[in-house]
Amino acid sequence: NAGVTQTPKFQVLKTGQSMTLQCAQDMNHEYMSWYRQDPGMGLRLIHYSVGAGITDQGEVPNGYNVSRSTTEDFPLRLLSAAPSQTSVYFCASWEQETQYFGPGTRLLVL
Amino acid sequence: GQQVMQIPQYQHVQEGEDFTTYCNSSTTLSNIQWYKQRPGGHPVFLIQLVKSGEVKKQKRLTFQFGEAKKNSSLHITATQTTDVGTYFCAVSGGYQKVTFGIGTKLQVIP
Repeated sequence: NAGVTQTPKFQVLKTGQSMTLQCAQDMNHEYMSWYRQDPGMGLRLIHYSVGAGITDQGEVPNGYNVSRSTTEDFPLRLLSAAPSQTSVYFCASWEQETQYFGPGTRLLVL
Repeated sequence: GQQVMQIPQYQHVQEGEDFTTYCNSSTTLSNIQWYKQRPGGHPVFLIQLVKSGEVKKQKRLTFQFGEAKKNSSLHITATQTTDVGTYFCAVSGGYQKVTFGIGTKLQVIP
């Protein structure tokens, strides 16, 4: 099992550009989540999904969209990047009480 | 959602000394989770506590959940350089919506 994978590892965007952060898991987990991590603020939940076709907003959803067409994939879309979205993004999936994180994507918005 | 305050934010210890981080809430928590994040890495799930007064051990790590389920602690006995990282507490709500504390960054001086 590869676990939770994320691409790209690093990305630089200009303000106003759009992009999709990819997340995939091969553990057949129903629950998946996206977080952003900023210095001094811990991790904050952006969006989550409880299964294919079902998504919902977390604590900081503005500026981000998600979809869940398959159990394996949970992409995060930035429609119009802003400097405030400079952060490290983590995707995670759940098995019972254990949450497994991907390696993260470092995003810089200029 | 349920909020948690974590202290201290930073801690430097000599190798071999003990270390404790605390997580507090003004409301009763349904559960508490603990994660470790190495520098440059991703969060790794350590444990979940759900019962009032629960104590669990993992080698040199001791996790406690308060009797009133409003606080929790993580204690590391005889720290080693491999313990370096940031330790987060978190609360998992319905549908695995997780709220993280800001973390305690531990530095171990050899």
